[in-house]
Amino acid sequence: QKEVEQNSGPLSVPEGAIASLNCTYSDRGSQSFFWYRQYSGKSPELIMFIYSNGDKEDGRFTAQLNKASQYVSLLIRDSQPSDSATYLCAVRLDRGSTLGRLYFGRGTQLTVWP
Amino acid sequence: GAVVSQHPSRVICKSGTSVKIECRSLDFQATTMFWYRQFPKQSLMLMATSNEGSKATYEQGVEKDKFLINHASLTLSTLTVTSAHPEDSSFYICSANERERPYNEQFFGPGTRLTVL
Repeated sequence: QKEVEQNSGPLSVPEGAIASLNCTYSDRGSQSFFWYRQYSGKSPELIMFIYSNGDKEDGRFTAQLNKASQYVSLLIRDSQPSDSATYLCAVRLDRGSTLGRLYFGRGTQLTVWP
Repeated sequence: GAVVSQHPSRVICKSGTSVKIECRSLDFQATTMFWYRQFPKQSLMLMATSNEGSKATYEQGVEKDKFLINHASLTLSTLTVTSAHPEDSSFYICSANERERPYNEQFFGPGTRLTVL
C-alpha cells in the first residue's frame, strides 16, 4: 500500500519566517519526490523535485530527502503572503505498471500573515 | 516548459447530460496522461491512467462506463462524464508525461470545474 502522509495543518507563519512542511511515505521503493503548490481553485504547480538523499535548494525553497527514514520535507525561507497555498507532497515509484504515476498526500495548508 | 491545456475550463450542465473534457499537450508528445478529480478541501484523487492507443486503466472505485476516456493521439486525451449527476460536480485535472522524458515531471492542465445542476 502506497501511502503519503502530510500534516493537514493549517500551518500559520509570519511573513519573513521559515515555513517547514513535512511528508512521510510508506513504500521504500519510491524513487522520486515532488512538492507541488496549489492555490485555491487552481491546478497544482511544481515547486521542486528531489531524487537523492540530502538537500536541494532552489531560491527560497529547500527540499530535504531522507530515504532511510522515508521522509521528505520542504523549507520555505523568508515566507511571503503570496506563499499562502496548499502544498502537496507526491512520490513516484518509477517502475513497472506504476511508471510515471504520482501518489499524493492530502496537502498542508500554509498561511503566511503580514 | 511543457504546456497542457484543458477545455472547457468551466462547465455547468443539467443532471443526466454528458460532458466531454479535452486535455491537450501543446508542445510535446505525451506518453501517458492522467485524470484526477478533486473535491473541495481534498487532495487529488487519480481516476485513471491513459496511454495512447490503448484502453485506460481505472483506479478502484471509478466506474469506467461512467467516465469514458479516449486517448486517440499523443497530444489529446478526452474524459467524458456520462449521465452526469450533482455528485459528479468536482474539479477535474489532467496531467501528462512527456514522451521523450518519461521520468520527468508530470505537467498539469489548468483544470475543468464541472457543476451539475
